[in-house]
Amino acid sequence: EVQLVQSGGGLVQPGGSLRLSCEASGFTFSRSAMTWVRQAPGKGLEWVAAISGSGMSTYYTDFVKGRFTITRDNAKNTMSLEMNSLRVEDTAKYFCAKDYTGSYFWGQGTQVTVSS
Amino acid sequence: QSVLTQPPSVSGAPGQRVTISCTGSSSNIGAGYDVHWYQQLPGAAPRLLISGNNNRPSGVPDRFSGSKSGTSGSLAITGVQAEDEADYYCQSYDTSLKAWVFGGGTTLTVL
Repeated sequence: EVQLVQSGGGLVQPGGSLRLSCEASGFTFSRSAMTWVRQAPGKGLEWVAAISGSGMSTYYTDFVKGRFTITRDNAKNTMSLEMNSLRVEDTAKYFCAKDYTGSYFWGQGTQVTVSS
Repeated sequence: QSVLTQPPSVSGAPGQRVTISCTGSSSNIGAGYDVHWYQQLPGAAPRLLISGNNNRPSGVPDRFSGSKSGTSGSLAITGVQAEDEADYYCQSYDTSLKAWVFGGGTTLTVL
C-alpha cells in the first residue's frame, strides 16, 4: 500500500525557517518524481516545487525560488522542503504528492502558519 | 490569476449532467500537455479523478469523464449525486512558466 506521511510545519515568524518532510512507503521511491503543492486558507491549489527520482533535477514556482529548497534522500525514502525567509503569504496547508502531475497518491497535508 | 481558467462555481440537480471547463492557451493545454482533474473535499487532500485528459483511475465512478480539445479541457459528471459536492481543479504544464499549474478551482453545488 502506497503511503505518504508528512511531518514538520507549524507556526513561525516572518523571515523564519521551517522544514517539511514526506516519508514514502509502498513503492520504489527512487523511481518516482515527487511534488509539493500548497493551499492557502480559502484558496485554490498551488504547485510549489518538484524533484526528479534521482534528485538531480529540481523545479520551483517563481514565488519560492531562492527561498525554498526541495531535496530527497532515496536511502531513507524521504523528501523534504526547506523553507527560508518565510512570508505571511506562504501561510498554507502543504501537501506532498507522488509524481510530477496526475498525482494519485498524496500526503495528509501539514499546516504552515507565518505570523508575528 | 491562474493561466488555467475555470468557472468559480457550477450547480446541478441530482441526476443532471454537469460540466466544468478548463481554458488554457498555446503554452499549456494547446501545446499538447495533458489535463488532469482532481476533486477536493473540505480539509482533505485532492483526489485524482481523471488523468491524461480522459483516463479514470481505479475506483473513480464512471459518471466522471474528461475530454480535451484545442486549448481547453472539460470534466463532465453524468448523473450528479449529492456526494459530488466538492471543489474541482484542473492541472496541466505550462511551457512559458516552466511549471505545473492548477486552475483556480470550481465549486460544485448539488441543488
